[in-house]
Amino acid sequence: DSGVTQTPKHLITATGQRVTLRCSPRSGDLSVYWYQQSLDQGLQFLIQYYNGEERAKGNILERFSAQQFPDLHSELNLSSLELGDSALYFCASSADRGGYEQYFGPGTRLTVT
Amino acid sequence: GNSVTQMEGPVTLSEEAFLTINCTYTATGYPSLFWYVQYPGEGLQLLLKATKADDKGSNKGFEATYRKETTSFHLEKGSVQVSDSAVYFCALSDRGGGADGLTFGKGTHLIIQP
Repeated sequence: DSGVTQTPKHLITATGQRVTLRCSPRSGDLSVYWYQQSLDQGLQFLIQYYNGEERAKGNILERFSAQQFPDLHSELNLSSLELGDSALYFCASSADRGGYEQYFGPGTRLTVT
Repeated sequence: GNSVTQMEGPVTLSEEAFLTINCTYTATGYPSLFWYVQYPGEGLQLLLKATKADDKGSNKGFEATYRKETTSFHLEKGSVQVSDSAVYFCALSDRGGGADGLTFGKGTHLIIQP
């Protein structure tokens, strides 16, 4: 158990809908990262937050957004969903802004029908 | 940009065989290097890391040495077990490049047969 929790574990929704994925980092970790894992794209970094502020952006679509709250949990919002957004979404946390090891949650499997 | 290249497999070995999974990287700064393992239906677990050239990371019988001259970080284990069957990801974090998200290889599916 990494100490990173994610909810829900599974999510099934229809095209055009909007969903919110939630992540709670390890106790004491200030950085939260979001990743997407799909068969065709592999594991891709989406976005990082550090202590409530956006720190780095990766291959995140404009339809996707995230935020980190004062209690350090984070939410990833996915809107106008398309079939191609079906994937595993992982959250990770680390103690520092980067370079230190990241600890991953169990993931949320999103299926868009 | 940054990139990580690793053999994709599947790699099938017999129990107690020697394992090598190759990983090479391209980075603009001075990266830290990692190996993560993903068991079926689970998230990624950090297996080992190295933060500078010539560092050797090790854990659970696995080892990898950060080779700057060959830009490589190959994963090795002397005697694999059935329980080592999983997908292994090589990754880098390039703090010098300014972005802190990990760049992953495509993963190597390892199958160990009894």
